[in-house]
Amino acid sequence: DAGVIQSPRHEVTEMGQEVTLRCKPISGHDYLFWYRQTMMRGLELLIYFNNNVPIDDSGMPEDRFSAKMPNASFSTLKIQPSEPRDSAVYFCASTFGGSSYNEQFFGPGTRLTVL
Amino acid sequence: AQTVTQSQPEMSVQEAETVTLSCTYDTSESDYYLFWYKQPPSRQMILVIRQEAYKQQNATENRFSVNFQKAAKSFSLKISDSQLGDAAMYFCAYRSMGQFYFGTGTSLTVIP
Repeated sequence: DAGVIQSPRHEVTEMGQEVTLRCKPISGHDYLFWYRQTMMRGLELLIYFNNNVPIDDSGMPEDRFSAKMPNASFSTLKIQPSEPRDSAVYFCASTFGGSSYNEQFFGPGTRLTVL
Repeated sequence: AQTVTQSQPEMSVQEAETVTLSCTYDTSESDYYLFWYKQPPSRQMILVIRQEAYKQQNATENRFSVNFQKAAKSFSLKISDSQLGDAAMYFCAYRSMGQFYFGTGTSLTVIP
């Protein structure tokens, strides 16, 4: 398996622009997570899905952030409009919920820079 | 609510020596799993080791082992014979059902 795939790997944009981050989880995994990592705040859970349904979005910073999972093999995290404080590394991770034994598998992350 | 605490933001160890990274957690559940992840400068999160809460025996993976104290809700990671490649950020994580909770991480420096 190719692992969790994220695109783009790097994104540089200007304040006010819309940013869309993409994630393809590992086939067969039924949980998908979006995280944001910064030096100041560490690793923050933004939202997670189970069987394509958002379960907990309490970590989404504000209405500028939205996430969707239209099917089991694809998810997006959108920021509109983007702000410089959104600059961070965004990780997508997936796991199989059949047992708590299963770890999360992380994608390589998307480094977002908002100028 | 479940919380995971890593009280050591930074640690250092001499190459070939042993280092222990601390982690405590808070939960009222009895069935859960604990994990240690490594994040090297490449940013890729890599699973190092996992521990099942119902197992008293501490998990071991080569040079990595844990000291799991369920009553104390403590889950420390011991790295033996430290190597330069062990330099990374280490995260402790707790899983119950579908949810994961991560600590704030410990940055480990390995001194040649």
